[in-house]
Parts: sequence; structure tokens; C-alpha cells
Amino acid sequence: KAGVTQTPRYLIKTRGQQVTLSCSPISGHRSVSWYQQTPGQGLQFLFEYFSETQRNKGNFPGRFSGRQFSNSRSEMNVSTLELGDSALYLCASSLGPSGVTEAFFGQGTRLTVV
Amino acid sequence: QKEVEQNSGPLSVPEGAIASLNCTYSDRGSQSFFWYRQYSGKSPELIMSIYSNGDKEDGRFTAQLNKASQYVSLLIRDSQPSDSATYLCAPSPSNDYKLSFGAGTTVTVRA
Repeated sequence: KAGVTQTPRYLIKTRGQQVTLSCSPISGHRSVSWYQQTPGQGLQFLFEYFSETQRNKGNFPGRFSGRQFSNSRSEMNVSTLELGDSALYLCASSLGPSGVTEAFFGQGTRLTVV
Repeated sequence: QKEVEQNSGPLSVPEGAIASLNCTYSDRGSQSFFWYRQYSGKSPELIMSIYSNGDKEDGRFTAQLNKASQYVSLLIRDSQPSDSATYLCAPSPSNDYKLSFGAGTTVTVRA
């Protein structure tokens, strides 16, 4: 059974650019959550999608957005990149609502903003 | 008060010893509790889920839950160098869909 797949694995972008990250959940999983992980802040919740609906959003500026498609694949977008956006971005999929059922993480996308 | 607090590390234990990791949480409505292991530079990996008060054993790992005290712990018996990682505690949310994580406890097993 394939796990959670995130693409790309690594990205280098310039300040001011925008970026789109992709997450394909485990087959049959309907919930996808996104997290930002930095050395100083740990795992910070970005948003959660279930059946194409965003049900919760973390405390991040509006430059961070996401969506989920009918096949449960999800994308997140960061516009007007800042140096502080450099981080490991992780997505996690779960069969049911996030937090109720077990969540499994992808390998992450490491974003570097220069 | 932080939503999830874990004992500060790093925790250094000799090979073969027991590593004890603690986690307290503020959401009294949490029903499910998850422990993740994260190796340096890798993504978190789910190693244990516990839903009821008491102990749950899985190989060398034992999770202990006390909902009344809002406390969950993870014991690693017969610690091995391969157990050297950061362990993250995540209690389920009771009224939203935001799974929050503790800052993690870094464990180093000395050979």
C-alpha cells in the first residue's frame, strides 16, 4: 500500500516568488493536514481538509492557502515568499477526520527561500 | 498554558535501559493519543496510538494514559541506538480538526 507522497522533495525559491506543494494521501484517506516544521517552532498546524472542505486553519498569514481535490489530493500554495518561510512542509493523511483517526505523514517538502 | 507539554530533553540513556517520556495536555476532551518518532531530517512516523486509560504495549514500547490527570507517557524498554530520535506527543482535539503536537523530547541512546 503506497504511503503519503509529497512533491517536490526539495525546492529553492527566491523571496517574493510563489510556490505550490502537492500531497497525495494514502488511497482511501479523505483527510489531509498540512504542517510547517522549523527548528525553533516545531510542528505548526497550517490547515486541514476533509472531502474538499477546509475545516480548520492555523495561525498563518493569508499568503498560505490550500485546496483539496475530489480525489483527495491536496495542494498548498505560498505566495510572496519570505525568508522565514524556509521550512519543512509536511502533509499527513488520515482515513477520517484529523485527530480522530491515525494520521500518517509524507516525507515532506523542504523549502528554502533565498 | 501550552496545549501539549513534553518533558524537556535531551534525554540520554544507556543502551538496554528504559527511556521514559512524559506528555501533559490541556484539552480535557481529548480521546485519542498518538506518539510519533522523528529521526533527524525525516518526517514523523506513528509508533503508538492509545485510546483508553491504562497501558498499551507494542513490542518494546508501552504507552500509558491517565485521562483524569491529562497525562500520557511512553516507555521504551531495552533502548537501542536506533531509538535515538525525537518523540512527539499528539492528543486528539475535542472540538476542531487541528492535531497539535508537543515540542518533542529528543532521546539519545548511548552504546
